[in-house]
Amino acid sequence: DTGVSQDPRHKITKRGQNVTFRCDPISEHNRLYWYRQTLGQGPEFLTYFQNEAQLEKSRLLSDRFSAERPKGSFSTLEIQRTEQGDSAMYLCASSLGRDNNQPQHFGDGTRLSIL
Amino acid sequence: KQEVTQIPAALSVPEGENLVLNCSFTDSAIYNLQWFRQDPGKGLTSLLLIQSSQREQTSGRLNASLDKSSGRSTLYIAASQPGDSATYLCAQGGYGQNFVFGPGTRLSVLP
Repeated sequence: DTGVSQDPRHKITKRGQNVTFRCDPISEHNRLYWYRQTLGQGPEFLTYFQNEAQLEKSRLLSDRFSAERPKGSFSTLEIQRTEQGDSAMYLCASSLGRDNNQPQHFGDGTRLSIL
Repeated sequence: KQEVTQIPAALSVPEGENLVLNCSFTDSAIYNLQWFRQDPGKGLTSLLLIQSSQREQTSGRLNASLDKSSGRSTLYIAASQPGDSATYLCAQGGYGQNFVFGPGTRLSVLP
């Protein structure tokens, strides 16, 4: 079963460093989402791609965050100059279709810890 | 601003009991509502998605209902089992491209 995979599973880094996460969606899924989740809360939307086009970004996505999805396949999320408040679980989800009326399939996330 | 709340925050029941989890949303322009399960340290698993034109969806021992007029959805779990222990989250899909999630209900089913 080739579900959504995320790499790495855990990342520990010092404040001020840059980090990059990767998400491989289910192969035929054209829609890809990034979320951030902190302890005891539901996921918060960060950004969304339809194929290779980034169509929506949350105001939570400051200019230190950038996401790409070259060729409409895997996606990367980069955080520059990390801060303590960036510590969270970063989740990727994918779905199939022209709108968000299809179930989202999630990866197991990348847990980021900022020292 | 869209807001989704879930009550209760935590629930503990003996095995075999039927239970109901509640989800409330403030945005009447709802496109769909999705229920997820999350196990500790894991991602979310989609359980049921109810489109705005539907009243309910069923899958096995799970039944989810949607009442747009009152801004509420419920997830009914029949004959609960210890394996059902997890956090259950609801998410409202609007006419934009994202989902707004509630904080979840942490369920413990005791053997």
